[in-house]
Amino acid sequence: GAVVSQHPSRVICKSGTSVKIECRSLDFQATTMFWYRQFPKKSLMLMATSNEGSKATYEQGVEKDKFLINHASLTLSTLTVTSAHPEDSSFYICSARLPRYSGNTIYFGEGSWLTVV
Amino acid sequence: DAKTTQPPSMDCAEGRAANLPCNHSTISGNEYVYWYRQIHSQGPQYIIHGLKNNETNEMASLIITEDRKSSTLILPHATLRDTAVYYCIVMGTGANSKLTFGKGITLSVRP
Repeated sequence: GAVVSQHPSRVICKSGTSVKIECRSLDFQATTMFWYRQFPKKSLMLMATSNEGSKATYEQGVEKDKFLINHASLTLSTLTVTSAHPEDSSFYICSARLPRYSGNTIYFGEGSWLTVV
Repeated sequence: DAKTTQPPSMDCAEGRAANLPCNHSTISGNEYVYWYRQIHSQGPQYIIHGLKNNETNEMASLIITEDRKSSTLILPHATLRDTAVYYCIVMGTGANSKLTFGKGITLSVRP
């Protein structure tokens, strides 16, 4: 299957600082990527849909000024958690959609653990 | 996108087939059935998907009923490493389509 990679896999940051998580599609171009967060023992919650070259579409209740998403190229999307607080500590997961001509399947990254202290 | 219903958990013996059911009675004609699994503390792993015909790959088989209102994921010879949460998700093909995760079914494979 297609490979999606996230970096960093784990990050600890101080409260009030910002942290960036990268999501790369390694062997395909992805016009659409997605960002999820997951709390312990809970299911994945979609935060936003990231489209290359345009503004991200955020799900209801997700603060776009707090969770900045940039999809500047067909292989890279970034999520920046601004002014992080302990309640932002979570598992963040990205995914990327294969082009329609390649099947349209969505593949996920390994996830990034964020701990805000 | 249509909603799916899965039992919360099931278990099976190592080496036996694991049959994971999913109901999607409101599925639309252009919506596919996707299966993913998530092993603890990892990103979800794509398993298989189908529209109306049965599908098989190196990981599993997907059996979709003729009316498309339910499906079964079959792991033919479950191993301990197959212990995970399995998600059945229905998704269309439009540009705005996205995967919406429910609670999934926790499969426990016992030795």
